[in-house]
Amino acid sequence: GQNIDQPTEMTATEGAIVQINCTYQTSGFNGLFWYQQHAGEAPTFLSYNVLDGLEEKGRFSSFLSRSKGYSYLLLKELQMKDSASYLCAVLDSNYQLIWGAGTKLIIKP
Amino acid sequence: ETGVTQTPRHLVMGMTNKKSLKCEQHLGHNAMYWYKQSAKKPLELMFVYNFKEQTENNSVPSRFSPECPNSSHLFLHLHTLQPEDSALYLCASSQDSSGAYNEQFFGPGTRLTVL
Repeated sequence: GQNIDQPTEMTATEGAIVQINCTYQTSGFNGLFWYQQHAGEAPTFLSYNVLDGLEEKGRFSSFLSRSKGYSYLLLKELQMKDSASYLCAVLDSNYQLIWGAGTKLIIKP
Repeated sequence: ETGVTQTPRHLVMGMTNKKSLKCEQHLGHNAMYWYKQSAKKPLELMFVYNFKEQTENNSVPSRFSPECPNSSHLFLHLHTLQPEDSALYLCASSQDSSGAYNEQFFGPGTRLTVL
């Protein structure tokens, strides 16, 4: 079967750095997405990786290793507004998105 | 504002009621999706429409009936639901439903409670 694993919940301190991991086993791979979802709101796109390596976008970076079936989302200089759920999703061989259950990130002052 | 709107935002219904959820996208996309989001579970893809044609139906019970009259509008008709159907129902759109890069834009969702 297809599976996406990510931690259920993480806690970090304002101003710090946090890394949210995602591992996947899917039938084929056509890219990996990270989305952010604040409570009661729509998921919004953060990043897309299809090649190995690190993609940096401001305070957020996303890393991919296809051989290890592994990705992480790195958030720097954490702000209170970064408290949200972070969803990892993989595009499989049929171009269907397979979603993880999300990681709830709690930022403390 | 994401360009994808959903109404109503909240809905409470009895098991014998019939109701409909509406989604509208203003992004010029050709694909639209219905997802179910339950607490602490992955997003569950329910239906996909590409150029108004249904391309996916992931074993969804017949008490959920989608309708896509045009590329901008998507409905989910609900009939004789069960309490376990209570969840957040998200609509999304993308340029199309195939291809290697296919960012989906989500609406804010409808919080459905079935009594």
